[in-house]
Amino acid sequence: GQNIDQPTEMTATEGAIVQINCTYQTSGFNGLFWYQQHAGEAPTFLSYNVLDGLEEKGRFSSFLSRSKGYSYLLLKELQMKDSASYLCAVRPNGGATNKLIFGTGTLLAVQP
Amino acid sequence: DTEVTQTPKHLVMGMTNKKSLKCEQHMGHRAMYWYKQKAKKPPELMFVYSYEKLSINESVPSRFSPECPNSSLLNLHLHALQPEDSALYLCASSLILDPAAKNIQYFGAGTRLSVL
Repeated sequence: GQNIDQPTEMTATEGAIVQINCTYQTSGFNGLFWYQQHAGEAPTFLSYNVLDGLEEKGRFSSFLSRSKGYSYLLLKELQMKDSASYLCAVRPNGGATNKLIFGTGTLLAVQP
Repeated sequence: DTEVTQTPKHLVMGMTNKKSLKCEQHMGHRAMYWYKQKAKKPPELMFVYSYEKLSINESVPSRFSPECPNSSLLNLHLHALQPEDSALYLCASSLILDPAAKNIQYFGAGTRLSVL
């Protein structure tokens, strides 16, 4: 089966750093995506990892360890607008299907 | 431009009604997707179209009928739905490149459907 786990909720303080973890067990692996979703809105793409290591993009960084089936999203200099759900998604296969399997999402609350 | 447009934004329908959800993109993407999302849950894949042909049907009930009339449009026809089908329906699109490429899925804002 396919299984992607994330913490359900997290709370952090404005200006701080938060790390959201994602572990996965899937039938295959061809990339991991992080999306941000504000309540009632569309998921928006944040980052992509297919090789081990850290990808940095402004205040957001994402790390992948394929041998451990583990990724994290690091958010720095937190802002109130970062309060949202963060979705980890794995693409188990290559080819034209580009199917994504989403984790349950982590609801992040940023407090003043 | 990474815009995927979905209409309508909200839809209320009875169990005997027939309605359609529409999705449009002009990014030249040849893969288009329908997802269903219940409150506080992740999106669940329903259908994938690649080059206007249905490539994945995730065992979706036949009361949901997808259609891809051309490379820019994706429809979801609804008939005889149940109250438990009430959800946010998201459309997404992506390029179809080498399998190792990102092929990022870009999502529309969704249609919030209520079945009475």
